[in-house]
Amino acid sequence: DVKVTQSSRYLVKRTGEKVFLECVQDMDHENMFWYRQDPGLGLRLIYFSYDVKMKEKGDIPEGYSVSREKKERFSLILESASTNQTSMYLCASSLWGRSSYEQYFGPGTRLTVT
Amino acid sequence: AQKITQTQPGMFVQEKEAVTLDCTYDTSDQSYGLFWYKQPSSGEMIFLIYQGSYDEQNATEGRYSLNFQKARKSANLVISASQLGDSAMYFCAMRGLTNFGNEKLTFGTGTRLTIIP
Repeated sequence: DVKVTQSSRYLVKRTGEKVFLECVQDMDHENMFWYRQDPGLGLRLIYFSYDVKMKEKGDIPEGYSVSREKKERFSLILESASTNQTSMYLCASSLWGRSSYEQYFGPGTRLTVT
Repeated sequence: AQKITQTQPGMFVQEKEAVTLDCTYDTSDQSYGLFWYKQPSSGEMIFLIYQGSYDEQNATEGRYSLNFQKARKSANLVISASQLGDSAMYFCAMRGLTNFGNEKLTFGTGTRLTIIP
């Protein structure tokens, strides 16, 4: 079974702090994704990576950056956390190359910025 | 740009009845894929079913089927004989390509389904 793990289920940070959210997948997937989920807005793509050290902006990249130094690990960085970044963050991974390949999701990190 | 619209924020359905969750999409791509995911209260996202834009048959997976009407740009999820465990949030998503040729999913806002015993 594909497994996608996220470093924390719950996280509380203060405004202005630098925040790292870590995601690890164990199935050698090329693609990895970071989403945020907010009530009434569904899942919105922040950033994704299609290879080591390669990334592309999603729909809402402002205030975030990412890092992918190894194939299995994809980090989301909040350079200076703000209260409007309080949300559920979901990481996902998938194989590249076929349109039918589904994304596998981690359990999510609920981040609260106070 | 791709867009997914789910117009039903919430639905209540009697146990054992069939359920149809609506999804319409908009894209200028010729090749795309449509997915449905389930998110129970525990939070994990569970893949349910996939339909490719060139697939002639509607996709089916057990009690789930996808009513794909390409001309109307709709991809409704049908759950037959609903069960209490079907109570969850359901998301429709579309796979498309970015301007750089990479794959991404665009999600709808979701429908919260509640099955009533």
